[in-house]
Amino acid sequence: AAGVIQSPRHLIKEKRETATLKCYPIPRHDTVYWYQQGPGQDPQFLISFYEKMQSDKGSIPDRFSAQQFSDYHSELNMSSLELGDSALYFCASSLVGGGDYEQYFGPGTRLTVT
Amino acid sequence: AQSVSQHNHHVILSEAASLELGCNYSYGGTVNLFWYVQYPGQHLQLLLKYFSGDPLVKGIKGFEAEFIKSKFSFNLRKPSVQWSDTAEYFCAVNAGAGTALIFGKGTTLSVSS
Repeated sequence: AAGVIQSPRHLIKEKRETATLKCYPIPRHDTVYWYQQGPGQDPQFLISFYEKMQSDKGSIPDRFSAQQFSDYHSELNMSSLELGDSALYFCASSLVGGGDYEQYFGPGTRLTVT
Repeated sequence: AQSVSQHNHHVILSEAASLELGCNYSYGGTVNLFWYVQYPGQHLQLLLKYFSGDPLVKGIKGFEAEFIKSKFSFNLRKPSVQWSDTAEYFCAVNAGAGTALIFGKGTTLSVSS
């Protein structure tokens, strides 16, 4: 079965640089979620999109922005990177329109800021 | 606001021992409950979930959990752990389809052979 795809899997950036993370949801899923997991921490919700519209917002810094495109893939843009942004970034998808409560997680992108 | 509390930060067991990980949540309305497992360096995998119905749910790899509404708890159990169960376990809740998952701080399980 198709799963959530994230790219790149690993990314190394320097402070003050910009990073773009991509997420390709499971086909026909209409909702995408982004989570950030710092070292030794639990995942924290950043933002979600339903049918290409922002549906919920969590603890996402103003330096970050995200969008969902017409093909339902999503991108998380991170600017002015800080050392504290080093984390594992997970994308998840679900079929909200089908009443599915479960979120299916991708493998994550490990971002290291030096 | 919703919150999730996992009582055990680190649990160490020998193979074949029984496991119970505690999870309590705080939320005034209907919740959906989940247990995820994260093996070292890997992504989150769903172990089991509860939406409604029978409060005793069975998941993959021999895990089960019991939802006790009066105690706001959703504890994870396994009668006999294996070395391969060594991982991080997260309890999570959300308020409905399309809503954010709120995770507990996680419990690290170490199983010695």
